[in-house]
Amino acid sequence: ETGVTQTPRHLVMGMTNKKSLKCEQHLGHNAMYWYKQSAKKPLELMFVYNFKEQTENNSVPSRFSPECPNSSHLFLHLHTLQPEDSALYLCASSQVPGESYEQYFGPGTRLTVT
Amino acid sequence: DAKTTQPNSMESNEEEPVHLPCNHSTISGTDYIHWYRQLPSQGPEYVIHGLTSNVNNRMASLAIAEDRKSSTLILHRATLRDAAVYYCILRVNNAGNMLTFGGGTRLMVKP
Repeated sequence: ETGVTQTPRHLVMGMTNKKSLKCEQHLGHNAMYWYKQSAKKPLELMFVYNFKEQTENNSVPSRFSPECPNSSHLFLHLHTLQPEDSALYLCASSQVPGESYEQYFGPGTRLTVT
Repeated sequence: DAKTTQPNSMESNEEEPVHLPCNHSTISGTDYIHWYRQLPSQGPEYVIHGLTSNVNNRMASLAIAEDRKSSTLILHRATLRDAAVYYCILRVNNAGNMLTFGGGTRLMVKP
């Protein structure tokens, strides 16, 4: 596997379910990110982890709970979601510090909340 | 927050050059200009970045105005595969590794 992988690629869940999204980066980076992309809205940064420590929580509701056990893995735990949480969830990684801070994105998980 | 303004959409013919404009009149002296693109059904990918001087790489060129209040991403020969949403982003120097995406420009390439 190369780059940034995300599983599952598609997820349908009810409002009372608990599920987790997984992201893995094979690039040796030390920073990881979760973004949300809703239809017709710009990408929204949700969480930033630098060296496994959360450094940014962009006012995300507590029904989204991130976990970063090591620099290569990032999870997003979901519980009691709302239909408006249906979106494409993108994971990214980068090397920090760096001149470009270039972020590498995974293909995303398409989440539908019913 | 430093913001960017881009046209919502642009059209181009295949194998012709494309100039994608971006205005960032509130840019600060140490803010970097980044461009990403998002192909259909994919995550965004890095295209190019610069600070003051024009930049070239295998994907594109970045032309930065002398006053840095605007920039232009140049695709030298558009292909159908270049159809995507192109995002112009300012990486605020004191915000470390955070990127704030705007609406971007949807580029359509006609055969």
